[in-house]
Amino acid sequence: EAGVAQSPRYKIIEKRQSVAFWCNPISGHATLYWYQQILGQGPKLLIQFQNNGVVDDSQLPKDRFSAERLKGVDSTLKIQPAKLEDSAVYLCASRFRAAGENNEQFFGPGTRLTVL
Amino acid sequence: GEDVEQSLFLSVREGDSSVINCTYTDSSSTYLYWYKQEPGAGLQLLTYIFSNMDMKQDQRLTVLLNKKDKHLSLRIADTQTGDSAIYFCAERYSGAGSYQLTFGKGTKLSVIP
Repeated sequence: EAGVAQSPRYKIIEKRQSVAFWCNPISGHATLYWYQQILGQGPKLLIQFQNNGVVDDSQLPKDRFSAERLKGVDSTLKIQPAKLEDSAVYLCASRFRAAGENNEQFFGPGTRLTVL
Repeated sequence: GEDVEQSLFLSVREGDSSVINCTYTDSSSTYLYWYKQEPGAGLQLLTYIFSNMDMKQDQRLTVLLNKKDKHLSLRIADTQTGDSAIYFCAERYSGAGSYQLTFGKGTKLSVIP
């Protein structure tokens, strides 16, 4: 079974520029998560999708971050405009079901963003 | 809110046992997890324990849970150089009625040959 795919793997931009990350979850996984992992810290949840709907975006800085999963499969995460503190690894994870079962979250390799 | 604490570094000799500790705050956590992250890679689930268990063993891995003290530990027997990585403790909580995880900052395990 193919894993969670993310692209690009690395991105360097200047502050105030825009950037977008792409995630393709494992086939059949209805739940998709985006995490931000700042260097030296654990992943922090940004947004959770169930199919094409948002379940929880309470920790997403909505003034500059946006995410969508229009067809309930692939997802994109956008930052516009980027700030220096957005430098981090952005991880995508997917899971078979949302709640009620202990299904594992499978993580992609992440996109490392550097904002100069 | 939820909080997970871990020591940041651990260094052991190859062949020795490693013990990584974690404390958490949410007493209603149903599952607790250990993830491994190698350089440049995503997180890989190592093992998990349900909150009504005290111990779980899986080959070289032993998880101990003390619910009273909200303390979780991961023991790796016969530690190998390939075990060098960052280990994250995570607790599952029911945020927004969904299955979400709160991670600690990670413990960097260095294995000395």
